[in-house]
Amino acid sequence: GQNIDQPTEMTATEGAIVQINCTYQTSGFNGLFWYQQHAGEAPTFLSYNVLDGLEEKGRFSSFLSRSKGYSYLLLKELQMKDSASYLCVAMDSNYQLIWGAGTKLIIKP
Amino acid sequence: DGGITQSPKYLFRKEGQNVTLSCEQNLNHDAMYWYRQDPGQGLRLIYYSQIVNDFQKGDIAEGYSVSREKKESFPLTVTSAQKNPTAFYLCASSPLLDSPPGGEQYFGPGTRLTVT
Repeated sequence: GQNIDQPTEMTATEGAIVQINCTYQTSGFNGLFWYQQHAGEAPTFLSYNVLDGLEEKGRFSSFLSRSKGYSYLLLKELQMKDSASYLCVAMDSNYQLIWGAGTKLIIKP
Repeated sequence: DGGITQSPKYLFRKEGQNVTLSCEQNLNHDAMYWYRQDPGQGLRLIYYSQIVNDFQKGDIAEGYSVSREKKESFPLTVTSAQKNPTAFYLCASSPLLDSPPGGEQYFGPGTRLTVT
């Protein structure tokens, strides 16, 4: 079957760095997305990786290893507003999206 | 301003009643989707549509129905056959499905439906 695994919850300190890991199993692969979702709100797109390597976008970076079925989202210089759930999403060969349950990130002062 | 609108934000219904959730987009996107989100769970796909007058069932279509008469609109009806309708419902749209990052989805603000 197809599935996504990511930690349920993580805690980090304001100003620090945190890495949220995600492993996926899909029938074929057409890319890996990360979305941010604040409580009670809709998800918003953060990043898309389809080739191996690191994509940097400001304080956020996303990494992909297709051979390992693995991705991570790296958040630097954490701010209180980064407290949210981070959803890992894989796209299979039929362009269907498989959504992870999300990692709730708690930022402490 | 381009975007997706869903209304209302909160909706309350009695058990046994059908209810229709609206979703409108002015992004000129071909594909539209309906998801359901329950606490502590990922998004689950109810229905999606890639073109007007055509739609496909997602993973949890039972008890739901949709229509796509216009490119901009994709309303979802939660019928009385849906066993656990209370949830957060999200509508999304994206460009061509098979054109990465066509998978980048733009979400509406969601409708929180409570059925008692």
